[in-house]
Amino acid sequence: RKEVEQDPGPFNVPEGATVAFNCTYSNSASQSFFWYRQDCRKEPKLLMSVYSSGNEDGRFTAQLNRASQYISLLIRDSKLSDSATYLCVVRTDRGSTLGRLYFGRGTQLTVWP
Amino acid sequence: DAGVTQSPTHLIKTRGQQVTLRCSPKSGHDTVSWYQQALGQGPQFIFQYYEEEERQRGNFPDRFSGHQFPNYSSELNVNALLLGDSALYLCASSLAGQSYEQYFGPGTRLTVT
Repeated sequence: RKEVEQDPGPFNVPEGATVAFNCTYSNSASQSFFWYRQDCRKEPKLLMSVYSSGNEDGRFTAQLNRASQYISLLIRDSKLSDSATYLCVVRTDRGSTLGRLYFGRGTQLTVWP
Repeated sequence: DAGVTQSPTHLIKTRGQQVTLRCSPKSGHDTVSWYQQALGQGPQFIFQYYEEEERQRGNFPDRFSGHQFPNYSSELNVNALLLGDSALYLCASSLAGQSYEQYFGPGTRLTVT
């Protein structure tokens, strides 16, 4: 079983729409959770960290459910510039304090005018 | 403040050859992780270097090896290249003890023919 499972999409939505991405992780001992954004043929960049209490950054809201091992990302009022691949990422320390990131395969989003 | 840099940006090799990719971490960072990202997939962890030693390794064969230098820069070596090694190779740097966030370089796109 993969460490992080993510629906690859693609999601095609009009400008202004609300879109939600979900992922699940398999290791209950995982410590930290993130959403990264990756533009076509570019490197991944941290979008936001995810906390159990939920956190919001402008139009973006992330949520973590540790009991269900489920992570979500909600994008409100989608913009053309939101078109990218969104990667669900989990950090797990397997006997090392240095940590290690596990990536989902990414969910592709296209926002059309 | 220089970010993570990688060289070369693109590389074309033939099967059976050997390749060396290079990475310079973000200023102040001491830990380097390498990832392989095949087309349509999320990045897969290859290995991680700290204090010039390999600290963690993903599920990659011994053909993949690395090195970290005293200035924290790192190299990834791949021997006996296979067609399946064609991918984007990403280097990420972090600071030990704060490795919840990793900063990625622009990657090296390797094509094996």
